[in-house]
Amino acid sequence: GENVEQHPSTLSVQEGDSAVIKCTYSDSASNYFPWYKQELGKGPQLIIDIRSNVGEKKDQRIAVTLNKTAKHFSLHITETQPEDSAVYFCAAKDSNYQLIWGAGTKLIIKP
Amino acid sequence: DAGITQSPRHKVTETGTPVTLRCHQTENHRYMYWYRQDPGHGLRLIHYSYGVKDTDKGEVSDGYSVSRSKTEDFLLTLESATSSQTSVYFCAISETSGTDTQYFGPGTRLTVL
Repeated sequence: GENVEQHPSTLSVQEGDSAVIKCTYSDSASNYFPWYKQELGKGPQLIIDIRSNVGEKKDQRIAVTLNKTAKHFSLHITETQPEDSAVYFCAAKDSNYQLIWGAGTKLIIKP
Repeated sequence: DAGITQSPRHKVTETGTPVTLRCHQTENHRYMYWYRQDPGHGLRLIHYSYGVKDTDKGEVSDGYSVSRSKTEDFLLTLESATSSQTSVYFCAISETSGTDTQYFGPGTRLTVL
């Protein structure tokens, strides 16, 4: 079945700098890759997603890139702000149409 | 925010007791999910439902059962709680499966002593 690995587990960046979180997946048939943000004490919330027929997608300061050949996808956050501090999860849709999740990355924005 | 509530929000119970967690939605979404969240494991699917009385197992279903008698309610039952089931439980909903956005509830923190 699908397996998703996420790195790093913790990422600390200076406010204003960029942050990159990477995920790899195992099932070459997977074709949907969302990213969720979880703030303290809340449930995860979708921030961006990408389908396998697209290599990159942007939404203001966030972007996701997908490399199907290497089976990895990445979340890029530019001009980081204090409100970006949270835990970020990647996921991949498996052959049963369910999401398999990465272990999460705690992003810390230093003032 | 999607209309999803979970109850209770916090519960402490003892090993061997039955526990039922409730998820209630006001969005009329077809799909409902129960996940558990543990450090280092992200979110793991326990069970999901694709309609009233239609449910299926996820990757960590052992020790859990579910029921969905109404569109808006999805119950998760631990028949005999164990300490390994101490976790934060999230309910989620979506209109369809697969590529559709999942909306999450606020979570239930369960401690089994």
